[in-house]
Amino acid sequence: GEDVEQSLFLSVREGDSSVINCTYTDSSSTYLYWYKQEPGAGLQLLTYIFSNMDMKQDQRLTVLLNKKDKHLSLRIADTQTGDSAIYFCAESYDYKLSFGAGTTVTVRA
Amino acid sequence: DAGVIQSPRHEVTEMGQEVTLRCKPISGHNSLFWYRQTMMRGLELLIYFNNNVPIDDSGMPEDRFSAKMPNASFSTLKIQPSEPRDSAVYFCASSSGTGATNEKLFFGSGTQLSVL
Repeated sequence: GEDVEQSLFLSVREGDSSVINCTYTDSSSTYLYWYKQEPGAGLQLLTYIFSNMDMKQDQRLTVLLNKKDKHLSLRIADTQTGDSAIYFCAESYDYKLSFGAGTTVTVRA
Repeated sequence: DAGVIQSPRHEVTEMGQEVTLRCKPISGHNSLFWYRQTMMRGLELLIYFNNNVPIDDSGMPEDRFSAKMPNASFSTLKIQPSEPRDSAVYFCASSSGTGATNEKLFFGSGTQLSVL
């Protein structure tokens, strides 16, 4: 099967950078994704990276991919209170997405 | 675009009752997914439809669960009879992917199901 692992919790001070890490198992995954879930809502696609890329930047978000180690990270610069949410890493295989357990990010003043 | 629409948002029922969850995918999307989210098991894929046809139902827990997609704009997930362990948030998601392309899933707001 496909396993995606993430740390469960991250606490960060407002204005600092957040780094959320993820490891995946399927080396044939074409795309890797980061989704955000706010309380009481569904998952929202934040960003994604193609497997032949090392890095992708999108405003405050930076995705780093180490394909050799099957490690994916999401960096949020200048973290704001609105960034408090659960962040899910996901890998694609066939038509499916396999999600990690999610990292709960808490932003403190 | 209204996004993926699910109903009801909350459902409280008693054990043994039938529960029907509904989903309207984004217009033009040809793939539809039902997921279940619990604290213990995280997000689990229950069933995947492509062009209204069930492609993979290997995640459906047992025969008490059934899903249909009678047309491109509507899908249901039915639990009969419901049990307390079915309590979870059920998400519907749709995409325009075909498996060979970038699967960007768009999720509904979910149905919070509580079976007493």
